[in-house]
Amino acid sequence: EAQVTQNPRYLITVTGKKLTVTCSQNMNHEYMSWYRQDPGLGLRQIYYSMNVEVTDKGDVPEGYKVSRKEKRNFPLILESPSPNQTSLYFCASSLLGRQETQYFGPGTRLLVL
Amino acid sequence: KQEVTQIPAALSVPEGENLVLNCSFTDSAIYNLQWFRQDPGKGLTSLLLIQSSQREQTSGRLNASLDKSSGRSTLYIAASQPGDSATYLCAVIPSGGSNYKLTFGKGTLLTVNP
Repeated sequence: EAQVTQNPRYLITVTGKKLTVTCSQNMNHEYMSWYRQDPGLGLRQIYYSMNVEVTDKGDVPEGYKVSRKEKRNFPLILESPSPNQTSLYFCASSLLGRQETQYFGPGTRLLVL
Repeated sequence: KQEVTQIPAALSVPEGENLVLNCSFTDSAIYNLQWFRQDPGKGLTSLLLIQSSQREQTSGRLNASLDKSSGRSTLYIAASQPGDSATYLCAVIPSGGSNYKLTFGKGTLLTVNP
C-alpha cells in the first residue's frame, strides 16, 4: 500500500531533550516536507526537500533540523525542544511537479513539558 | 502573501442534504488547488486536485470548482452521509518559486447528523 508513515505517533517529552520524528514514504517521491498544525494558525511548513541531500527552510524552521540522506526518509530533528514546539506534525511527499498530488502521513502529536 | 480563508468554520447538516464548502484565496497566481479531508488521528487525505487551467473536478459525490480570477473554490458534497463528518481543508500551491509549499485555510468542520 502506498503510504507515508510517521513515528512515533504520540510523544511526551521534556524541555531540552533531543528527539527525532521519522517520516518514510514508499512511493519513490522526490519531494518531501514537514508541517506543523496549531489551533488558530492552521498548517505551516517547517522544512522541505526536493531530493536527496537537497533541503531548504519553510515558513517556521526555527528550532528544527532535517536531513535527507535517503530518498524515502525525511526525519525531523528537535535538538532542544521547547514548550512552544508542542504541536501536531505532518510529513508530506509527492513526485516533482506542482501538478502532483501531495500525500500526508497520519501525524505525530508532540507535547513538550 | 497568500492567504486562504474558509467559510463557514463549522457546519452541521442532516444526513442526505447537499452542501457547499467555500474557500477563497487572495493571490490568484496559483498553480493548483487541493481539497483535503482531516480525520482525527488519521492525517490528511487528498480528495481533489484542480489545476489552475481547470474549472472543476469530480470524484464520486464530490465536485470541486475553481474560479482563479475571483480567487474562489467550492467543494460540493451531494447526499451527505454521517461518514462525511470531518474537517475539510483547502490549500493552494503558488505558481512561482521552487517550493511546492501548500498554503492552507483553517478548515471547515463538517458534522452530518443521522
